[in-house]
Amino acid sequence: TQLLEQSPQFLSIQEGENLTVYCNSSSVFSSLQWYRQEPGEGPVLLVTVVTGGEVKKLKRLTFQFGDARKDSSLHITAAQPGDTGLYLCARLRGSQGNLIFGKGTKLSVKP
Amino acid sequence: DAEITQSPRHKITETGRQVTLACHQTWNHNNMFWYRQDLGHGLRLIHYSYGVQDTNKGEVSDGYSVSRSNTEDLPLTLESAASSQTSVYFCASSRGHTDTQYFGPGTRLTVL
Repeated sequence: TQLLEQSPQFLSIQEGENLTVYCNSSSVFSSLQWYRQEPGEGPVLLVTVVTGGEVKKLKRLTFQFGDARKDSSLHITAAQPGDTGLYLCARLRGSQGNLIFGKGTKLSVKP
Repeated sequence: DAEITQSPRHKITETGRQVTLACHQTWNHNNMFWYRQDLGHGLRLIHYSYGVQDTNKGEVSDGYSVSRSNTEDLPLTLESAASSQTSVYFCASSRGHTDTQYFGPGTRLTVL
């Protein structure tokens, strides 16, 4: 089973702090997606990374795909309360279009 | 605007009853998916469809069924609800196999 392991499971920080969350696998994958899910809502895609070593930025969020395409990280600079939510990584199951999700990192940013 | 909706948003039922959760999308997407989300397990795929009359089993399909009679809808049926099926259920759709999946707001189901 090609699991995605996310760490940490929970993270509680103060507004203005920086943080990094991780998504790791023992298998190589062709691409990786990051989602954010707010309470009472469905996940929303933030970014897809495809190339080993790739770095993508979305405002204060920086996403990196490992060189070996087995891991990825999400770094948030100067976190804000609006960043609070569950961050999920996911990969496609072959060419079928189905997603395999990690269990997520639950982030709480306190004002 | 195109969207994906789920109904009901909350449902309480009893063990053994048949329950159907609705999913409707107005994007004209070919692909539709059902996931369940549980603490400690994340999101897991129940069933999916690549088009009208096409249905496929996901990793946790036991006790669930789907049918796809048109492009817009993929209802999820629990034939005989069990307490282990208490969960939050999400429907999603995408245009193609590797395109972005758009998720509905979820249905919280409690089986007593």
